[in-house]
Amino acid sequence: QQQVKQSPQSLIVQKGGISIINCAYENTAFDYFPWYQQFPGKGPALLIAIRPDVSEKKEGRFTISFNKSAKQFSLHIMDSQPGDSATYFCAAGNTDKLIFGTGTRLQVFP
Amino acid sequence: GAVVSQHPSRVICKSGTSVKIECRSLDFQATTMFWYRQFPKQSLMLMATSNEGSKATYEQGVEKDKFLINHASLTLSTLTVTSAHPEDSSFYICSVRQGSSNQPQHFGDGTRLSIL
Repeated sequence: QQQVKQSPQSLIVQKGGISIINCAYENTAFDYFPWYQQFPGKGPALLIAIRPDVSEKKEGRFTISFNKSAKQFSLHIMDSQPGDSATYFCAAGNTDKLIFGTGTRLQVFP
Repeated sequence: GAVVSQHPSRVICKSGTSVKIECRSLDFQATTMFWYRQFPKQSLMLMATSNEGSKATYEQGVEKDKFLINHASLTLSTLTVTSAHPEDSSFYICSVRQGSSNQPQHFGDGTRLSIL
C-alpha cells in the first residue's frame, strides 16, 4: 500500500521532443502528488504538484496528468531541452509524509 | 534563492566517529523538517520527521539511537550519525515545510557522508 512505482528507469529524448514519465500508487488515501527534479550532487527541487481534485495541471513546459481511478499520474515535459537532463522523482502521499518513486534518469540530446 | 541550507555538503571521516549535519530553513519558520537518506542512483527514503520542541518521529527500521535528531529552533534541525560505520555512507538530505501540512516540502542540497 505504500509503494510508488515509476517508469521508465531511464529515458533518452532528442531536443524539442516530449519526455513522458509515469507513476502509479496504491494507497487511495494519498492526496498530494509532486514531481521533483534532481541534478547530481544536489537535493531535489520541486517542479510541479497536483492534488486529486483535478486531472491536469500545467506550468510552463511541464504538465502533470492525473488519473484517479487508475491511481496513475504522469509528467510530460514539452520541448525538452538539454538543460532538462536530470533525474526526476515522482512522489505520493500527503505533505506530512511522501513516498518517492524510484526515479527516472532523463537525457536530452541536442 | 535557496530556501534550505544544509551543512556540511560533504564530510569524510573515520569509522567510529560521530558526525553532525545541520539543516537550516532560510526563508520561513519551519515547525516540521524531514530527514531523508539516498543511496547512489536510488530513491529518497524518509528516515524521520523532526518537530520543533518535541521528539522526532522515526520511520520503521531507522535506529533512533544511531541517528539523533534535534530540532531546537524553528529554523534549525540537526542530524547526528553516532559511531558511524562504512555502511552509514550515504547522501543525507533534509527538507522543510512551511506552516501547515498543506504546504510542499523544500529540500536542501544534501550532505555526502563517506565513512572510511
